[in-house]
Amino acid sequence: DQQVKQNSPSLSVQEGRISILNCDYTNSMFDYFLWYKKYPAEGPTFLISISSIKDKNEDGRFTVFLNKSAKHLSLHIVPSQPGDSAVYFCAARSASGTYKYIFGTGTRLKVLA
Amino acid sequence: DTAVSQTPKYLVTQMGNDKSIKCEQNLGHDTMYWYKQDSKKFLKIMFSYNNKELIINETVPNRFSPKSPDKAHLNLHINSLELGDSAVYFCASSQVLGGQSDTQYFGPGTRLTVL
Repeated sequence: DQQVKQNSPSLSVQEGRISILNCDYTNSMFDYFLWYKKYPAEGPTFLISISSIKDKNEDGRFTVFLNKSAKHLSLHIVPSQPGDSAVYFCAARSASGTYKYIFGTGTRLKVLA
Repeated sequence: DTAVSQTPKYLVTQMGNDKSIKCEQNLGHDTMYWYKQDSKKFLKIMFSYNNKELIINETVPNRFSPKSPDKAHLNLHINSLELGDSAVYFCASSQVLGGQSDTQYFGPGTRLTVL
């Protein structure tokens, strides 16, 4: 029972256009969400986060949107650059007890020059 | 001046052997974690330590034993290695457990291959 799902395993976008990566979750007790970017043979790198009390957080070219009623979050990258090509993971934190993070399976983004 | 470092980066070993993976963070964080990324790319928490105290111990075989000699180090020892242990193991750390500052910073990973 995967509580955090990224249903698109891959996405291709033209350079300069918007990339939208999606993430769905099932547990309404998640209180904090993060996006990570991962290059091959490296560890995940933190990108941006959002608390459950917000619906949007922006940092430069990256914006994360949270729709709690739909249990859905998305990461927008605009404009997309070839260096953004990587695997993107969303992660959700359980608000109770151990503050454990559950990760999605990732979406491979390819930005075409 | 790597923030979270792991050694070794690659580990190839025979079934039945015992091996250790070391992790060190120089960020001054209180909490450290071990994750396993299997062949299906699921990244799953195995253990977390906060101030050297075990906080999370997921359903992991007791062949896996974490050891935290101090806040900056969290090592993973694996006994009697099995084929199914082959995976990439990531260490991570965060400033605090919970709150708005528990963003996790990951090491580069250790690719373990059991033959």
